[in-house]
Amino acid sequence: DQQVKQNSPSLSVQEGRISILNCDYTNSMFDYFLWYKKYPAEGPTFLISISSIKDKNEDGRFTVFLNKSAKHLSLHIVPSQPGDSAVYFCAASALYTGANSKLTFGKGITLSVRP
Amino acid sequence: GAGVSQSPSNKVTEKGKDVELRCDPISGHTALYWYRQSLGQGLEFLIYFQGNSAPDKSGLPSDRFSAERTGGSVSTLTIQRTQQEDSAVYLCASSLRVTGNSYNEQFFGPGTRLTVL
Repeated sequence: DQQVKQNSPSLSVQEGRISILNCDYTNSMFDYFLWYKKYPAEGPTFLISISSIKDKNEDGRFTVFLNKSAKHLSLHIVPSQPGDSAVYFCAASALYTGANSKLTFGKGITLSVRP
Repeated sequence: GAGVSQSPSNKVTEKGKDVELRCDPISGHTALYWYRQSLGQGLEFLIYFQGNSAPDKSGLPSDRFSAERTGGSVSTLTIQRTQQEDSAVYLCASSLRVTGNSYNEQFFGPGTRLTVL
């Protein structure tokens, strides 16, 4: 049973436009959410996170939105750049409720930014 | 500075053989995690070590899988009697000490690609 779902396997956007990557979760114990970025042949790298007490966190071109009632989060990248082309993983943790830092990941979405 | 390193980068083995995968975490990181990514899947948690505490083995898929962490640093993931479904990329991550009220970023290594023929 997938507890973190990224239902779209891929997304293609034009350089300069907004990229919106979506993620849904089912486990109500999750209280900390993260986005990781992965290039081929490399390990994932942390991008941005949000705790369940917030509904928005912004870091430069990257903003993560959390809708707890819908168990949905999204990553917005604006403006998108060709270097953003990578696989993006949504991950969740029961960090505060479960004192558990292990991450549950979605399957990832491949973002392609066209020049 | 040095990140998380893993060896080998690629391993091809025959069904039924045992394999050992190694992880060198970032110096000073007391928490260490193993994940694996099978084809078309997300990363799947396997096991977690923190300091001298008993490891969280709740993600290990069978008793053929085991891991140890010697001296609180290097970790070895061992898969006995490998099966074709064990083929995956095995990723190691480390972080500063985990507490109940703050998140410490997990830094990932490049992974070991295991292929079981």
